[in-house]
Amino acid sequence: EVQLVESGGGLVRPGESLRLSCAASGFTFSTYSINWVRQAPGKGLEWVSSISSSSSSIYYADSVKGRFTISRDNAKNSLFLQMSSLRAEDTAVYYCARVSSNYFDYWGQGTLVTVSS
Amino acid sequence: EIVLTQSPATLSLSPGERATLSCRASQSVSSDLAWYQQKPGQAPRLLIYETFNRATGIPARFSGSGSGTDFTLTIRSLEPEDFVVYYCQQRSFSLYTFGQGTKLEIK
Repeated sequence: EVQLVESGGGLVRPGESLRLSCAASGFTFSTYSINWVRQAPGKGLEWVSSISSSSSSIYYADSVKGRFTISRDNAKNSLFLQMSSLRAEDTAVYYCARVSSNYFDYWGQGTLVTVSS
Repeated sequence: EIVLTQSPATLSLSPGERATLSCRASQSVSSDLAWYQQKPGQAPRLLIYETFNRATGIPARFSGSGSGTDFTLTIRSLEPEDFVVYYCQQRSFSLYTFGQGTKLEIK
């Protein structure tokens, strides 16, 4: 069974940093691109970042470029999102999602990040 | 960046009726379209991929159609559990975008 489990969310102050993790199981992690997608409270879905299977291709939404860094450890079946210079508008549930072709076929349950003073 | 606009924002129907949800792209979508269903407090679930194909375990009452810039999710004979939020999504030049969502509510 494919599973994606996010962790690392919490309450931080504006300007601080936070690192999210996504633990994968039930599939060959090293062969899939994995993405981060977020959802602000009561709002829609926003794509955040993408990393290819070998980490050779990385992309970011303009809203997080220069502040967030995506990475992965294929040996540990793990995905990460290092978030710095956090802003109130980064408050959201962050999901990791597996990519199949051009769509997201499996999603984690999400981890909540709250940025507030 | 391709912008996806979903309409209507809210659709009020009764169980047993047919729902037609629209997703319009600002430019032609070359890589086809996906649809997701999101229930309150849950992660999105893939419903339709590559415009037409139902994901594993998705009931046959869900169908997708369209091409170019206009896409449709149709739910034939609504069940009570279908009254939630739906999103369309596309990928272009390694960037992904979602529509703003359509909330299906019970009339």
